[in-house]
Amino acid sequence: GAGVSQTPSNKVTEKGKYVELRCDPISGHTALYWYRQSLGQGPEFLIYFQGTGAADDSGLPNDRFFAVRPEGSVSTLKIQRTERGDSAVYLCASSLGGDQPQHFGDGTRLSIL
Amino acid sequence: GDSVTQMEGPVTLSEEAFLTINCTYTATGYPSLFWYVQYPGEGLQLLLKATKADDKGSNKGFEATYRKETTSFHLEKGSVQVSDSAVYFCAHNNFGNEKLTFGTGTRLTIIP
Repeated sequence: GAGVSQTPSNKVTEKGKYVELRCDPISGHTALYWYRQSLGQGPEFLIYFQGTGAADDSGLPNDRFFAVRPEGSVSTLKIQRTERGDSAVYLCASSLGGDQPQHFGDGTRLSIL
Repeated sequence: GDSVTQMEGPVTLSEEAFLTINCTYTATGYPSLFWYVQYPGEGLQLLLKATKADDKGSNKGFEATYRKETTSFHLEKGSVQVSDSAVYFCAHNNFGNEKLTFGTGTRLTIIP
C-alpha cells in the first residue's frame, strides 16, 4: 500500500520567506509526527498529532513554527520568517498510535539561502 | 533529560564479519527501544524493537536485547553483507509519550 508521502521533496527559498511542508500519512493512521534532521544528526522531535489535535508540541523550536492537521489526515508544517538555521530535512511519520511502529516518509529537504 | 548515545561512526567491516553497534539510553519511566535503518536513497525504516526489559528484538539477522540494568540496547549481527551498508539509528520513546528520541546515527559500510 501507499506509504507516507511528503511534498515537496526539495524546497529552496530565501531567508525571511514563509514555507509550507505537506505530509500525507498512511490511510487509517491516527497519529502523525514531525521531526527535523540536520546533517550528521538523528531526527529531532517537533510535534505530534493524535487525530486533529496536537498531543505534544514541545519540540517546536519557537513561535515561527506551526503545524496543523484540520481533518485528522493530511498535515502541514508552516515556518514563518525562515532563517538559515532552519535548513534541514523535515521528516513526517504516521502510526496507529500507542506503541505501534512509526512509518516515515522520505522527507522534505529545506534549504534557506 | 531523555537521550540516546550510540557508537560513533563511520564503521567499516568486511563481508561476513561480526557487527556490534553500541547504544545506551537515558529515559524516565519505561521506554520502548528501537533500531531504525536508513539505506542509501531511502527513508527511515524500523528494523527491530523491544518493549520491556530482557526482550530481544530481531529482524533480517539483526538482534538487540533490552538491558535495563545497563540501560543498553546494542545491535548485533553475526555475519554482515554488503547490502547491510546503511545508517543505523537507536531510539526510544516513553510509556505514555509517543515521541521518539534518536541517537546521532552510525554509518556502516560493508566491503566485499
